[in-house]
Amino acid sequence: KQEVTQIPAALSVPEGENLVLNCSFTDSAIYNLQWFRQDPGKGLTSLLLIQSSQREQTSGRLNASLDKSSGRSTLYIAASQPGDSATYLCAVGFYGQNFVFGPGTRLSVLP
Amino acid sequence: NAGVTQTPKFQVLKTGQSMTLQCAQDMNHEYMSWYRQDPGMGLRLIHYSVGAGITDQGEVPNGYNVSRSTTEDFPLRLLSAAPSQTSVYFCASSNRETGETQYFGPGTRLLVL
Repeated sequence: KQEVTQIPAALSVPEGENLVLNCSFTDSAIYNLQWFRQDPGKGLTSLLLIQSSQREQTSGRLNASLDKSSGRSTLYIAASQPGDSATYLCAVGFYGQNFVFGPGTRLSVLP
Repeated sequence: NAGVTQTPKFQVLKTGQSMTLQCAQDMNHEYMSWYRQDPGMGLRLIHYSVGAGITDQGEVPNGYNVSRSTTEDFPLRLLSAAPSQTSVYFCASSNRETGETQYFGPGTRLLVL
C-alpha cells in the first residue's frame, strides 16, 4: 500500500527566507505528483503538478522537484512571505487508483 | 465558471440519520471524487467516478453511497450516520482520471452526534 509522508509536520520561518518542504512515498510506480495549498477552513488549491516523466515544475516563487527512484519530492519556496502561511499537501497519483495524500506541512511565515 | 461547489457548508446530524452531500462542477470534467479529511490522517478517498454512470470505491467507502447520473453532479449519501463519520468532506474534479490538475470544492463540515 502506498504511503506518503511529509517532513517537517510544522515549520515557522521569518519573512524572506527560502525554504524546502519534503514529501516521500513508498511506491515509485506513480503517474504524477501534485502539491496543494490549504488555508484554514478552506479547500485545496493546486500549486504544481509534476508528471512522472518530468523532473521539476516551476511557478513563480515555487519550484517542485520529483525523484521517482528515491521516492521523493521537494517543494522549494523562495523569498517567503506572510501570505505563504498555510498547510502544504503533496498527493501522489496512480493510474486507476487516484491520489494518496500526505498529512501536510503547516507553514508559518512571520513578518 | 463557479468551479466545484459543495452544499451544505456545515451540517449537524444525529446518529442514524441520513443525508446527502451535494457536489457540482461546471468545467465538464469527467472525473470526480469524494475525500474526507480528518486531523492527523490527511485526505482519504471515499468514492470516485470516471464518468456519468460509472462509480467505484476508494480507500474508505463503508457507510457511503454515490451515483453519477450527469457529468456535472456527484452526490455523496450517508445512509445511517455514525459519530466516526464526523469529518470534513471535499469533492474534487479533473479532466482525466489522474493525469490532470484536481480542482477541489470548499468542503462540507459534518458533525454527527
